[in-house]
Amino acid sequence: GDSVTQMEGPVTLSEEAFLTINCTYTATGYPSLFWYVQYPGEGLQLLLKATKADDKGSNKGFEATYRKETTSFHLEKGSVQVSDSAVYFCALSDPNFGNEKLTFGTGTRLTIIP
Amino acid sequence: GAGVSQSPSNKVTEKGKDVELRCDPISGHTALYWYRQRLGQGLEFLIYFQGNSAPDKSGLPSDRFSAERTGESVSTLTIQRTQQEDSAVYLCASSLDGALNTEAFFGQGTRLTVV
Repeated sequence: GDSVTQMEGPVTLSEEAFLTINCTYTATGYPSLFWYVQYPGEGLQLLLKATKADDKGSNKGFEATYRKETTSFHLEKGSVQVSDSAVYFCALSDPNFGNEKLTFGTGTRLTIIP
Repeated sequence: GAGVSQSPSNKVTEKGKDVELRCDPISGHTALYWYRQRLGQGLEFLIYFQGNSAPDKSGLPSDRFSAERTGESVSTLTIQRTQQEDSAVYLCASSLDGALNTEAFFGQGTRLTVV
């Protein structure tokens, strides 16, 4: 079945550091890939997405590139801020299953210190 | 409403009791999802409603779990004879039409604790 494996946390970085959160996936077809973020006290919200190989999703300074050859969708940001502290979830949807279920990773808690 | 609303936000129940969790999706969203997140684990799919189609119940872990949705509005997730392993955060999400190029909007969840 489909699965998503992401970097275990927690991750603690200093402000302005470079961020990478690794995500790899297993799917039978050609999934769409997503990063969701959950800020403290809020619900999960979509951060960015990519729907086909080599697409790059970007939002709020975050980027992730859909790499079919390595089945990866790593999240990156060049200079993190305290306000980026949150839990980040990598997810996929696999159209070959004929439904719209999102399969999520376990989440990575990110803390940015001033 | 402005977003997906879930109630209650917290629920503590005794083992063996039934509980009912409620989700109010964003108005006009035809698709509604329930997920569960146990401590330290990822989000586990439970059930999916899309318009008037038969729901996808493939993620429900046992026959103690059931869910209903009235038209394209409120959904309730019912857990009968709760067990300690049911303790988790239960998340509801809705999206405009269910195609996953459409963004899913999540509620803040109901934290269920079975004692």
